[in-house]
Amino acid sequence: EVHLVESGGVVVQPGGSLRLSCAASGFSFDDYSMHWVRQGPGKGLEWVSLISWDGRSTDYADSVKGRFTISRDNSKTSLYLQMSSLTTDDTAFYYCAKDILRRGYNTPDYWGQGTLVTVSS
Amino acid sequence: QLVLTQSPSASASLGASVRLTCTLTSGHSRYAIAWHQQQPEKGPRYLMKLDGDGSHIKGDGIPDRFSGSSSGAERYLTISSLQSEDEADYYCQTWDTGIVVFGGGTKLTVL
Repeated sequence: EVHLVESGGVVVQPGGSLRLSCAASGFSFDDYSMHWVRQGPGKGLEWVSLISWDGRSTDYADSVKGRFTISRDNSKTSLYLQMSSLTTDDTAFYYCAKDILRRGYNTPDYWGQGTLVTVSS
Repeated sequence: QLVLTQSPSASASLGASVRLTCTLTSGHSRYAIAWHQQQPEKGPRYLMKLDGDGSHIKGDGIPDRFSGSSSGAERYLTISSLQSEDEADYYCQTWDTGIVVFGGGTKLTVL
């Protein structure tokens, strides 16, 4: 059974930095691309970033480009999101998600339960 | 620009059927999409991937009551025999090179 467990969400001040983690199990982690998706309070889902199965390719939403860095450690079956220059607009639940496609990407097919990041002074 | 449009809300009675619509921007009418469900206070759940020809691949454990279909640039999610636990937000989602896009979501109320 696929399990994705996010951690690292806390209250952080504007301008601060934070690293989120996602522990994955129940599938061949190094065969699948992974996503981060966020949801601000009362808002819809917003895709944040994507990393290929081997970590060689990454993509970002314009809203986070240059501030967030996605990475993975296949030996630890873990996904990360390094966030910097945080603003109140980054306040959201952050979800880790596995892609449906082996060695490609198109849609998440398993989601974690999310971790809450609050940016506030 | 790749955009998905959904109506903000929909409602239907317990036991009835409802069809939710997701519209792709012109020029992207052949794109496949996915549907995701988010029940209150929960994380999203993948329902199905839906191609432009209407063929779809459902997620693990998704009941037969959930089905998908396509017509032109529109993608549909039909839920039959509505149950109280179907009251949720439903998001369509698609992708292109270097980008993943979500629709704004439809809040489904089961009366």
